[in-house]
Amino acid sequence: QKEVEQDPGPLSVPEGAIVSLNCTYSNSAFQYFMWYRQYSRKGPELLMYTYSSGNKEDGRFTAQVDKSSKYISLFIRDSQPSDSATYLCAMRTQGGSEKLVFGKGTKLTVNP
Amino acid sequence: DARVTQTPRHKVTEMGQEVTMRCQPILGHNTVFWYRQTMMQGLELLAYFRNRAPLDDSGMPKDRFSAEMPDATLATLKIQPSEPRDSAVYFCASKGGSADTGELFFGEGSRLTVL
Repeated sequence: QKEVEQDPGPLSVPEGAIVSLNCTYSNSAFQYFMWYRQYSRKGPELLMYTYSSGNKEDGRFTAQVDKSSKYISLFIRDSQPSDSATYLCAMRTQGGSEKLVFGKGTKLTVNP
Repeated sequence: DARVTQTPRHKVTEMGQEVTMRCQPILGHNTVFWYRQTMMQGLELLAYFRNRAPLDDSGMPKDRFSAEMPDATLATLKIQPSEPRDSAVYFCASKGGSADTGELFFGEGSRLTVL
């Protein structure tokens, strides 16, 4: 079992839809949780960052962390064609190693 | 505009050849990572350096891969000899030393095809 599991999709939605992306993990020591967005033929870019449990909102994006269930989510409201990309969850422990463990990514297409 | 620069962007080579990929981290960033991305495995950490010292290379096949930081502005990843299974996109990423989000800044990757 991989440390971080993420459904690769692909996921196709109409413009304006609410998108839900999810990851599960097995390492209870993970404390930092991130979502990266990767456009085709580009490197990943940080989209959202959350420390420990809770919610974080930034514009149309909301990140949720449920440490009791080892489950994190990213919600995109009013999705736009420009949101079409691969979304990767990532996480790491606190202190010591700076190793960031990534999910495989979910490919999202938002259709106009 | 600060960014991580990787060369080459694309490389096609034959099995058995040596491949060297180079990375210029963002000026002032003291931690540099090498990741490999494939469809099957996703993004996997190969190695990372802090202040030019290797801290973790457990993800790297030691018999054929080597990673170095000759100076603070250059990181290299070498494969010798290359094999078809090494075909992937290799990303370099860097981060600063401040204790904030610890955001990784990725380059655009080096796409390697080994025939």
